Amino acid sequence: DGGITQSPKYLFRKEGQNVTLSCEQNLNHDAMYWYRQDPGQGLRLIYYSQIVNDFQKGDIAEGYSVSREKKESFPLTVTSAQKNPTAFYLCASSIDQSSVYEQYFGPGTRLTVT
Amino acid sequence: AQKVTQAQTEISVVEKEDVTLDCVYETRDTTYYLFWYKQPPSGELVFLIRRNSFDEQNEISGRYSWNFQKSTSSFNFTITASQVVDSAVYFCALGSGWIQGAQKLVFGQGTRLTINP
Repeated sequence: DGGITQSPKYLFRKEGQNVTLSCEQNLNHDAMYWYRQDPGQGLRLIYYSQIVNDFQKGDIAEGYSVSREKKESFPLTVTSAQKNPTAFYLCASSIDQSSVYEQYFGPGTRLTVT
Repeated sequence: AQKVTQAQTEISVVEKEDVTLDCVYETRDTTYYLFWYKQPPSGELVFLIRRNSFDEQNEISGRYSWNFQKSTSSFNFTITASQVVDSAVYFCALGSGWIQGAQKLVFGQGTRLTINP
């Protein structure tokens, strides 16, 4: 079955620690995205990548970093510089970076930092 | 600037009632795409529909229907004869404008729909 996997589903970290969220897709999609969702709010774009070895900042990139070394993988690192890291993180992919194609989403990772 | 407004934060109805979720968007682009996604309690967003700006035909898929009106910049979603399984958060999204070679999606804040038995 094709799809997007994110692991782990729940993640707990102490303040000041960096943490990396995993995102893997086997849909052969070129474009991948990371979103953050806070309670009662819509999704906000953190980073996106159109092709391997290329990525762009989204609307709220501060305190986050990404890499795209393989087409199927787009890990997100939440650094200690992110002031409010506790949130629900969603990874998505699409055939390409245009809106002609819908984005497919993973199950999400709920990060709690104390 | 692109913007999506879902004015209804929460809606609660009794099973079998019809319910309409409102979505109003803003964009200066003439070519754009509108989407609806469903987010059940599990958290994963599920794609429901995509509509491009040149196609104003309403669409029906089973109990779901969508009404796209460019004159009022609205893309409303109606569930007929609602069921408990329809309980979820529903997001409307807009894809328009090219920035650094990509069209980013702008999401509304979502409407939490609760269907009571």
